[in-house]
Amino acid sequence: QSALTQPPSASGSPGQSVTISCTGTSSDVGAYNYVSWYQQHPGKAPKLMIYEVRKRPSGVPDRFSGSKSGNTASLTLSGLQAEDEADYYCNSYAGTNTVFGTGTKVTVL
Amino acid sequence: EVQLVESGGDLIQPGGSLRLSCAASGFNVRANFVSWVRQGPGKGPEWVSVLHTGGGAYYADSVKGRFTISRDSSKNTLFLQMSSLRVEDTAVYYCVRDKYSSGWYGYFEHWGQGTLVTVAS
Repeated sequence: QSALTQPPSASGSPGQSVTISCTGTSSDVGAYNYVSWYQQHPGKAPKLMIYEVRKRPSGVPDRFSGSKSGNTASLTLSGLQAEDEADYYCNSYAGTNTVFGTGTKVTVL
Repeated sequence: EVQLVESGGDLIQPGGSLRLSCAASGFNVRANFVSWVRQGPGKGPEWVSVLHTGGGAYYADSVKGRFTISRDSSKNTLFLQMSSLRVEDTAVYYCVRDKYSSGWYGYFEHWGQGTLVTVAS
């Protein structure tokens, strides 16, 4: 049950795009299309932003998109806005457990 | 509206025991997949345990044999009994409901506000 690997940080100017990778193994990300992404602002609980690799819950802007190839999932933030500055975590179902990523801090320059 | 309210967090010595509670409203805990997810200071979230609708439970390796998840359907409340606590169990513990009730996929859509457990001597 090792954590999924994410880059520690990513940044972009307002209006730009940022892509965050999430690398797992053939036992989690590569085995299932049950990948989700969470946004967390300081002092708040995580918020579900993407589920089932690319689906968005109601209320999440379409600027957020997800994809997956092999053992790596990705989250793309298009048209960056100031309120997107936060920590982002991926998660993958792995049969009898789920595994979170190491987290990526997104900074809007 | 789905609401989850955790309680029971405290300062506890290593080796001690503690029981967390999660009072649910707006849905039936027996008919949904509800997990405990914790987040240590300055760390990312870590899934701890899930209670399936059928009553089966799964645990992270880090807590297996020490933590037990359960529910009281009459009170619509979920519990986490923690024993043999370690310093590394220090975290905010969240009660979380999955998006789907038809199967468990780890889509943590509804979160409580969390309760802090500190394990220290």
